[in-house]
Amino acid sequence: DGGITQSPKYLFRKEGQNVTLSCEQNLNHDAMYWYRQDPGQGLRLIYYSQIVNDFQKGDIAEGYSVSREKKESFPLTVTSAQKNPTAFYLCASSIGGSWETQYFGPGTRLLVL
Amino acid sequence: GQNIDQPTEMTATEGAIVQINCTYQTSGFNGLFWYQQHAGEAPTFLSYNVLDGLEEKGRFSSFLSRSKGYSYLLLKELQMKDSASYLCAVRDGDYKLSFGAGTTVTVRA
Repeated sequence: DGGITQSPKYLFRKEGQNVTLSCEQNLNHDAMYWYRQDPGQGLRLIYYSQIVNDFQKGDIAEGYSVSREKKESFPLTVTSAQKNPTAFYLCASSIGGSWETQYFGPGTRLLVL
Repeated sequence: GQNIDQPTEMTATEGAIVQINCTYQTSGFNGLFWYQQHAGEAPTFLSYNVLDGLEEKGRFSSFLSRSKGYSYLLLKELQMKDSASYLCAVRDGDYKLSFGAGTTVTVRA
């Protein structure tokens, strides 16, 4: 079955620790995206990548980093510089660039200990 | 940035019809999307409008008026499984997608 997978489902971060959220897709989609979802707010774009080895900052990139070494993978690192990391993180992909419909993975909930 | 407004909550009875409104202000326009999101799960794509008018897909329909900056999602013959959050998202002239905060629909028996 084709789809987008995210792991882990729940992730706990200690103060000062970097953590990495995984996102993998086997849909052969070119573009991938990371969003953050907080209660009472719309999804906010963190980073996106239209092609391999290239990515751009979204609206709230500070405290996050990404890489796109393979077409199917777009991991997100939440660094210690992100002071309010507790949120639901959603990865999405689209067959072409941002002019195409985006499809979402199941999400990772990040909690701070 | 974009300004997208939709009601926070709506409640309806099983078998009834509910209309979720979305108004937006955007610099350029390249389409409006509706997604359904059950609690703790991924948003799933419901509909896409780029031209004015009504798009019907089974029990769900979506309407767009570009001149008014307005869309609605119509859910007919409501079922308990339709209890979810419904997200309105607008793509601007730079093809950037911006989301509203979502409307939580509760279906009661």
